[in-house]
Amino acid sequence: AQSVTQPDIHITVSEGASLELRCNYSYGATPYLFWYVQSPGQGLQLLLKYFSGDTLVQGIKGFEAEFKRSQSSFNLRKPSVHWSDAAEYFCAVGARAGGTSYGKLTFGQGTILTVHP
Amino acid sequence: DAGVIQSPRHEVTEMGQEVTLRCKPISGHNSLFWYRQTMMRGLELLIYFNNNVPIDDSGMPEDRFSAKMPNASFSTLKIQPSEPRDSAVYFCASSSPVLAVLTDTQYFGPGTRLTVL
Repeated sequence: AQSVTQPDIHITVSEGASLELRCNYSYGATPYLFWYVQSPGQGLQLLLKYFSGDTLVQGIKGFEAEFKRSQSSFNLRKPSVHWSDAAEYFCAVGARAGGTSYGKLTFGQGTILTVHP
Repeated sequence: DAGVIQSPRHEVTEMGQEVTLRCKPISGHNSLFWYRQTMMRGLELLIYFNNNVPIDDSGMPEDRFSAKMPNASFSTLKIQPSEPRDSAVYFCASSSPVLAVLTDTQYFGPGTRLTVL
């Protein structure tokens, strides 16, 4: 079964600083990987996803993530954080194909990002 | 496109009452997911449907919970009788997996915040 670990429950950065949110996954093959963002009182919005190809994926709002197979990681990065980026971020893994796992996403526990002015 | 629609957005009820949450997926999507989000347990998948058929309901916590999808454009999640520990935000999401075997992006509704007194 697949699983996702987001080691950091809460991260605080200053506006304009760089950001990296960690995500480690467990899956028997190359998975589908996603990052979602949730603003307070809102649903989850997709930031970016990795299915295949280039391991560096660009997303919305200036975010990018890099898939590293050797480290089973899919860390999210942004070079310069804006106050509006304050939210909770979820990494998710999906099974590639087949069986009863298809279509399901397994989410990490989330990382809350606080941005100081 | 209107996105995933959920109703009501907020529900306050008393213990023992029946609660029905509603979801309209994005038109053309054939997979629908119900999640529950709490501070303690994070985001949990309760049940998901593919082509209106329940595929995996292993996340449904108890017999008090039931979900239906009578057609491609409507689903309900019912709790009867409700208990205070059911208080949470319930999200509905939909997706359109390619060839019904590949995982694809899930699009989330705004959620229903349920409070059981």
